Order: sequence, then C-alpha cells, then structure tokens
Amino acid sequence: GDSVTQMEGPVTLSEEAFLTINCTYTATGYPSLFWYVQYPGEGLQLLLKATKADDKGSNKGFEATYRKETTSFHLEKGSVQVSDSAVYFCALSDPGGADGLTFGKGTHLIIQP
Amino acid sequence: GAVVSQHPSWVICKSGTSVKIECRSLDFQATTMFWYRQFPKQSLMLMATSNEGSKATYEQGVEKDKFLINHASLTLSTLTVTSAHPEDSSFYICSARWSGYYNEQFFGPGTRLTVL
Repeated sequence: GDSVTQMEGPVTLSEEAFLTINCTYTATGYPSLFWYVQYPGEGLQLLLKATKADDKGSNKGFEATYRKETTSFHLEKGSVQVSDSAVYFCALSDPGGADGLTFGKGTHLIIQP
Repeated sequence: GAVVSQHPSWVICKSGTSVKIECRSLDFQATTMFWYRQFPKQSLMLMATSNEGSKATYEQGVEKDKFLINHASLTLSTLTVTSAHPEDSSFYICSARWSGYYNEQFFGPGTRLTVL
C-alpha cells in the first residue's frame, strides 16, 4: 500500500536558519502530495500541495517540489522564525482526492530565538 | 471559511462505556468526511471514510462494530466508540472534504479520548 516516510524529529534550529524536512513516498500511480502543519493546540492546516510531477507548492515562505524520479517532496524554508515552531506532516492522496490521506509520522520543529 | 469543529475536545470515560464524538463542517457542505486516529508521536491513521446517507467504509483492521460512524447530514458526522477500553485511548481527528474547493480536506481540532 501507499506510505510516506519523513525525517524523525525533533528538529531544533536557530531563528533565520535554513530548513529542510525530508519526505519520500511510495504509491501507485500519480498521487497528490501535501504538507500539513499543526500548531500547538490547533488542528491540521494545509501548508502547501502539489498535484503533478515537477509542480512546486509554496506558502508562507515554505516550498516543496514534487520529484517523481526520486519520489520525494522535501519541505524547505530559507529563513525560519520562532513562529514556525510546530509539527509538520507530509501526506499523499489519490489524484482526485476521493480517498483519505496517508500521512508520515510528523516532524516536530523547534525554532529557538 | 472552511471551518470544521469537533465536540468534545476531550473526554474521559470508564471502561465499558460508549462515547460519541461529533464532527461538523460549519460553513460548507461535506459529502465526505474522514475519521483518523493518532497515537502519541505517531502518524494519523485513516480509520474510515464517511459518505452522507450511506454506510461508512472502514480501513482494514478497524472494527466497524467498535467504531460506529453515522453521517446523517451534509454537515455532521459522528463517531461512537462502543464499549470503550483503555487501548481505545487516543486522539481522534476528523476531516471534511469540500468538493467545491479542489476536494481539499479541512481538519477538525481533534478529540482526546482517555478510557480509565
């Protein structure tokens, strides 16, 4: 079945550092790929998504590119802020979005001032 | 827009009792809602897909008689954990799919269930 593997946390960085959170996937066909963020005490929020190969999703300074050749969707940000501290989940779904999402285990990101 | 609520946000119950969790889409109609379960420091695992007016589809390994799902309207789905036991203690999260917005799923804040 489908699966998502992302780097385990916690990941601790200083403010303004460069961020990469790795995510790779296994799926049949051409899934849609997502990054969700969960701030303390809140529900999951969609951060960005990509629906086909070579698409780049971006939002709030975060970016991820759908790489089919490496089955990856790594999350990057050039300069993190303390407010970026949260848990980040990589996920995939079928192209039409009819099925539920398959999530990675989540990466807890801690940004220190 | 696109807000999903869950009630209650947390519940503690005795072993053997049943607990109902509600999931509501507040400002859109959701023909499909999903129920997930999250263990501490683990991923969200899809439990079932709930379609309005029809029976839920359960993922492999999820007991449908244990986790009763009802999707009576386009804005409400309920999950009832029947005869709960300590191993059912978990964080339950619902999402609602909005067909009018790229089929995106919007998540509720989750319900923490503790069974004593």
